[in-house]
Amino acid sequence: QQQVKQSPQSLIVQKGGISIINCAYENTAFDYFPWYQQFPGKGPALLIAIRPDVSEKKEGRFTISFNKSAKQFSLHIMDSQPGDSATYFCAASKGGSARQLTFGSGTQLTVLP
Amino acid sequence: NAGVMQNPRHLVRRRGQEARLRCSPMKGHSHVYWYRQLPEEGLKFMVYLQKENIIDESGMPKERFSAEFPKEGPSILRIQQVVRGDSAAYFCASSLKTAGSTGELFFGEGSRLTVL
Repeated sequence: QQQVKQSPQSLIVQKGGISIINCAYENTAFDYFPWYQQFPGKGPALLIAIRPDVSEKKEGRFTISFNKSAKQFSLHIMDSQPGDSATYFCAASKGGSARQLTFGSGTQLTVLP
Repeated sequence: NAGVMQNPRHLVRRRGQEARLRCSPMKGHSHVYWYRQLPEEGLKFMVYLQKENIIDESGMPKERFSAEFPKEGPSILRIQQVVRGDSAAYFCASSLKTAGSTGELFFGEGSRLTVL
C-alpha cells in the first residue's frame, strides 16, 4: 500500500514535443505529491509539487495533473528541450509535508535535438 | 549558501569493513533524511533525524545500519560489516520545516558506496 507506481520506464521525445509521465498510488493517506528531476551523478531536485485539493498545477513548461478518484497524477513537460533530458521521479507522502517520501521507480527522459 | 554537502562522494569497501557517510545539511536546516538508491530504482527512505534525535527509522535495516545527527557536526550514516548488497548511492536531504510548510527537501549529490 506504500507503493507509488511510475510509467513509462523510459521515454524518448523530439524537441518541442510533450513529455508525459504517469504515476499511481494506493495509499489514500498520501496528501503531498512532488516531482523530482535528477541528472546523472547529481541528487534529485524538486521540480513541482501538488496537494490533492487542486486538480492541476502549472509552473512554466511543467504541469502536474492530479486525479484524486483514480489515485493518479502525471507530469507534463510542454515544448520539451534537450536540457530536460534527465530521470524524473514522482513521489508521495503523508501529513502534507515532504517527510518520508515514497518514490516511484523513475522515468529516464531523452529529448532529441 | 552552500547546499547539502555529502562526503565522501565515492567510497569503496571490502566485505566486512565499515562505511561511514557524512552529511552536512544546508545552513539553518535542522532536519536530515537519508535515502538509498539502488541502480535503476527510485530512492528508498531510510531514516529521519533532528539534532540529537532519531525521529523515524522505519526504513533502516535493523542490523548493521545506524545513523546519528549530533548537536555539533554532520549527520553520519554508518554501515558495519558491509556486504555486496549494500552497494548503492546514499542520498542525504535536509529541510527547514516551519509550521504549515511542506518542508521541502534539498538533496545532496550522494555518496556512492561500492562493496567489493
